[in-house]
Amino acid sequence: EVQLVESGGGLVKSGGSLRLSCAASGFFFSSYSMNWVRQAPGKGLEWVSSISSSSTNFIHYADSVKGRFTISRDNAKNSLYLQMNSLRADDTAVYYCARSRYGDVFDYWGQGTLVTVSS
Amino acid sequence: QSVLTQPPSVSAAPGQRVAISCSGSSSNIGSNYVSWYHQLPGTAPKLLIFEDNKRPSGIPDRFSGSKSGTSATLGIIGLQTGDEADYYCGTWDTNLNAVVFGGGTTVTVL
Repeated sequence: EVQLVESGGGLVKSGGSLRLSCAASGFFFSSYSMNWVRQAPGKGLEWVSSISSSSTNFIHYADSVKGRFTISRDNAKNSLYLQMNSLRADDTAVYYCARSRYGDVFDYWGQGTLVTVSS
Repeated sequence: QSVLTQPPSVSAAPGQRVAISCSGSSSNIGSNYVSWYHQLPGTAPKLLIFEDNKRPSGIPDRFSGSKSGTSATLGIIGLQTGDEADYYCGTWDTNLNAVVFGGGTTVTVL
C-alpha cells in the first residue's frame, strides 16, 4: 500500500525557517517524481514544487516560493523534503506531499502537515 | 485568482447529474492533459480523472471527464451524498512552467 507521511509543520514567526519531510513507503520511491502542494485555510490547492526521480532531470518551483523554498529528496531514505526559508504569513497552509503518476498527475497524496506563520 | 476558472459551487438532488466546468487557455488546457481531483471535508485530495478522461482503478464510472479546446468538464451521474466534496481541475501550463489548479468547485447534494 502506497503511504506518504508528512512531518515538520508547526508554528513559526515571519522570516523564520522550517523543513518539511515526507516519508514514502509501499512503492519504488526512486522511480517517481514527487511534489509539494499546499492549501491555505479555506482556500484551494496551490502547487509549490516538483522534483524528478533522480533530482537531476528537473526541479520546478512556483513563482510565489522561488528563491525561498528548496525541494530535495533522498532516495536511499525514501524521503522528500522542503526547506522553507524567509517564511511569510501567506505561506500559512497545509502542505501535502504528492506522488506523480507521471508529470503533473498526482496519484497519491499524504495527509498533510500544517505550517502556520505568525506575523 | 486561479489560472483555471471553475464555478464556486454546483448542486443537484440525489441520483441527478452535475457537470463542473474548468476554463483555461491555449497554454494550459489547450495543449496539455487535464486531471481532476476531489477532496472530501478534512481529507487529502484524491485523483479522479487523468489524461482528460481516464479513471484510475477504483474510481467508479459515474465519474467522467471530457475536454474541448481550452475547456474541460467533469461529469458526475447518479449523484450520492458521499459525493459532497470540493473538486479541482489541474494541468501543466507551458508558459508559466508550472502546475496550475482551478479554484475548486463545491458539490452539494440537495
